[in-house]
Amino acid sequence: QQQVKQSPQSLIVQKGGISIINCAYENTAFDYFPWYQQFPGKGPALLIAIRPDVSEKKEGRFTISFNKSAKQFSLHIMDSQPGDSATYFCAAPPSNTGKLIFGQGTTLQVKP
Amino acid sequence: DGGITQSPKYLFRKEGQNVTLSCEQNLNHDAMYWYRQDPGQGLRLIYYSQIVNDFQKGDIAEGYSVSREKKESFPLTVTSAQKNPTAFYLCASSMGQGNTEAFFGQGTRLTVV
Repeated sequence: QQQVKQSPQSLIVQKGGISIINCAYENTAFDYFPWYQQFPGKGPALLIAIRPDVSEKKEGRFTISFNKSAKQFSLHIMDSQPGDSATYFCAAPPSNTGKLIFGQGTTLQVKP
Repeated sequence: DGGITQSPKYLFRKEGQNVTLSCEQNLNHDAMYWYRQDPGQGLRLIYYSQIVNDFQKGDIAEGYSVSREKKESFPLTVTSAQKNPTAFYLCASSMGQGNTEAFFGQGTRLTVV
């Protein structure tokens, strides 16, 4: 059962543009919304995360926007760079079961 | 250096053989996870463990087995019952409670020859 739906599956952006990746969740008990970044042949690493008591969190060029009523959260990458080319995963852990569920992933390519 | 270590990085298996992938962490984390990654499939949960001597099936547990005899270790065995084992396997750990950062190993790429 898929509890986190991520879109788009792939994304191509020109250098300097804005990359936007969306994630929709079902379980309203979720209280931690992270984004992970994975480079080829490596394990994912935490990029940025938000808790639902705020609607936006910014770290450098990366911003999470959280819409509680729509049960969605998004990753925005401003001034996208070729070094941002990677696969991005959202995750939403159901706190009662202990499972850690990831979205399907978005492969981002930033063209120079 | 604290972290999570997977070994080997590359593994080749003949059809019909069982193989065991190692995962060790020195982060003192309670929870550990195994994921399988195929192109275009994202991260699919195989097994997870919230505490020593206890583990739960994930979404694709068939053909796999695990043990959690020590807090630091969570080995995954890919059995001959797994019909399509060629994939990238990732181990992760976290403090638990589901709402904290997960740390991943560098992965093991398993190929059936």
